[in-house]
Amino acid sequence: HSVLTQPPSVSGAPGQRVSIPCTGNSSNIGAGFDVHWYQQLPDTAPRLLISTDNSRPSGVPDRFSASKSATAAYLAISGLQAEDEADYYCQSFDSRLLVVFGGGTKLTVL
Amino acid sequence: QVQLQESGPRRVSPSGTLSLTCPVSGSSIRSHYYWGWIRQSPGMGLEWIGSIYHTGGASYNPSLKGRVAISVDPSDNHFSLRLESVTAADTAIYYCARQIGVGATWFDPWDQGILVTVSS
Repeated sequence: HSVLTQPPSVSGAPGQRVSIPCTGNSSNIGAGFDVHWYQQLPDTAPRLLISTDNSRPSGVPDRFSASKSATAAYLAISGLQAEDEADYYCQSFDSRLLVVFGGGTKLTVL
Repeated sequence: QVQLQESGPRRVSPSGTLSLTCPVSGSSIRSHYYWGWIRQSPGMGLEWIGSIYHTGGASYNPSLKGRVAISVDPSDNHFSLRLESVTAADTAIYYCARQIGVGATWFDPWDQGILVTVSS
């Protein structure tokens, strides 16, 4: 059971836009802590996708963007491509548990 | 460019101790970063194990506290993980990573990970 909740799976057709939610509570996202996102391609290590202030490392296309509301964060992927098929994880800070991850969401490109 | 390449035994006996080392290249471990360990059980999500600063101050996942210890060797530019009294539930891919930021820090880069199996 993860502190940050993500749907197990989402899907979309090539070219579409999908959004992956990450729901927390008042001790993590709701406390104002930043949320970061990672992409894990099959049989590879996770890589940072988006960090603080929607910052993307070199090589990450601007089709990926992040936003945040009161106790939730969202990863949006526009212009979906086959190469985007991967697992996506959110991560933040929790005042009780320190570093916390979401359970991960498997993105399927139809 | 920072690179991490962890090493250690791929198999540990039940009730034994898991020990992994993560040498850092391309950056001094004395830089103003934390250095962390994360694991992923087969087919499961990511779990933070703990993190350490080059001065030796460490923080741990409460679920593992009492069994885990992370150390750092600035003179040799590496940090290490020690997990005691392992069971089959500790079978996982173990990753080391640099931890950046203040407060809600993030992990970048990650090493490729090592699958450690707990079995006799």
